Amino acid sequence: EAQVTQNPRYLITVTGKKLTVTCSQNMNHEYMSWYRQDPGLGLRQIYYSMNVEVTDKGDVPEGYKVSRKEKRNFPLILESPSPNQTSLYFCASSLVGTWAGGRETQYFGPGTRLLVL
Amino acid sequence: AQTVTQSQPEMSVQEAETVTLSCTYDTSESDYYLFWYKQPPSRQMILVIRQEAYKQQNATENRFSVNFQKAAKSFSLKISDSQLGDAAMYFCAYNTGTASKLTFGTGTRLQVTL
Repeated sequence: EAQVTQNPRYLITVTGKKLTVTCSQNMNHEYMSWYRQDPGLGLRQIYYSMNVEVTDKGDVPEGYKVSRKEKRNFPLILESPSPNQTSLYFCASSLVGTWAGGRETQYFGPGTRLLVL
Repeated sequence: AQTVTQSQPEMSVQEAETVTLSCTYDTSESDYYLFWYKQPPSRQMILVIRQEAYKQQNATENRFSVNFQKAAKSFSLKISDSQLGDAAMYFCAYNTGTASKLTFGTGTRLQVTL
């Protein structure tokens, strides 16, 4: 089954304790992205990756890191989480992310709910 | 910067009736794509329908259709014969032809009543 998976689905942590949220897709998609969803704000892009070893900042990158060493995986790293990073996080992927990428539909993972105490 | 506005935080519709969710966007691009995503209580983001700006014909997917008014920069979603399973948060989203960032509106929560 074609899908985007995220782990963990739920996470409670404390301020300053490094964590990683994994994202994997099995559709051979070039493009992957991370969004966060907060009440009243919709979804906002954190980071995105056009392909392996190619990543760039989105609208709200502060406090986050990403890497894209393999095509299928795009982990989101919080080096020192803070309470304002409590949110619902989505990973998404689409077939291409190059000049024609806008036309591609993005497929979303199930979301990761993070609570930072 | 591109913006997407959903002016209706909440809407309600009776089962089997029709409801229209509004969305407006602001862009200077000529090539772009518009999407409606549904987010049920499970929080999964599900694509409902998409529209290419260069197409004049409004997109339709079964009970879901859009009213795309390019000059007015309006992209509303019409749900016909509403069902209980349509109850969800609906997000309007925009993407340019050359970028890969979806810009989302703030969402409209749709309630379906018996």
